[in-house]
Amino acid sequence: AQSVTQLGSHVSVSEGALVLLRCNYSSSVPPYLFWYVQYPNQGLQLLLKYTSAATLVKGINGFEAEFKKSETSFHLTKPSAHMSDAAEYFCAVSLNTNAGKSTFGDGTTLTVKP
Amino acid sequence: NAGVMQNPRHLVRRRGQEARLRCSPMKGHSHVYWYRQLPEEGLKFMVYLQKENIIDESGMPKERFSAEFPKEGPSILRIQQVVRGDSAAYFCASSRGQGGSPLHFGNGTRLTVT
Repeated sequence: AQSVTQLGSHVSVSEGALVLLRCNYSSSVPPYLFWYVQYPNQGLQLLLKYTSAATLVKGINGFEAEFKKSETSFHLTKPSAHMSDAAEYFCAVSLNTNAGKSTFGDGTTLTVKP
Repeated sequence: NAGVMQNPRHLVRRRGQEARLRCSPMKGHSHVYWYRQLPEEGLKFMVYLQKENIIDESGMPKERFSAEFPKEGPSILRIQQVVRGDSAAYFCASSRGQGGSPLHFGNGTRLTVT
């Protein structure tokens, strides 16, 4: 079984500030981890994924995430927030044994202040 | 458009009616997943299908909900005798079904039950 916990349902940052969105996972076997972004009235889009090749994963729009097995974490960061980053972000986990079925966290809404 | 196509985008039904939600997966994908999103909540897994087979329906309510993915045509999520609590956004995703494959989402169907 697997689960994901996103700490903080709402995060607010100023434009140009560091973005840090937290995700912790629980898995009985080595997981695959994903971050998705959802803009209003749209489906989810993949930001980045961890599949064991490298612990630091770079994604689209300047986002990156680091897999830390010892902390069971996969936090999402971006050095400098842009107004267009305002959206909802979801962390997800899947296992090699369940062929793509993913379990999602409850999401974090990112607000960017001018 | 080779992405995941869902229709309709918006669906209004009165209590007791039936709702049919359609999903055409991304070209080359044979694995389809349905998720439900309630306001202020994350995505909850409902069902995972391959062509003509239900692989995992552990998230489906026991009554009134059914899903299919026929050999020809789109996947269908069917809700019989809808109630107000069924109002939600329903998202379909598809993948290649391999471990580590990300999900590709449609833009969702927003069901409103009046």
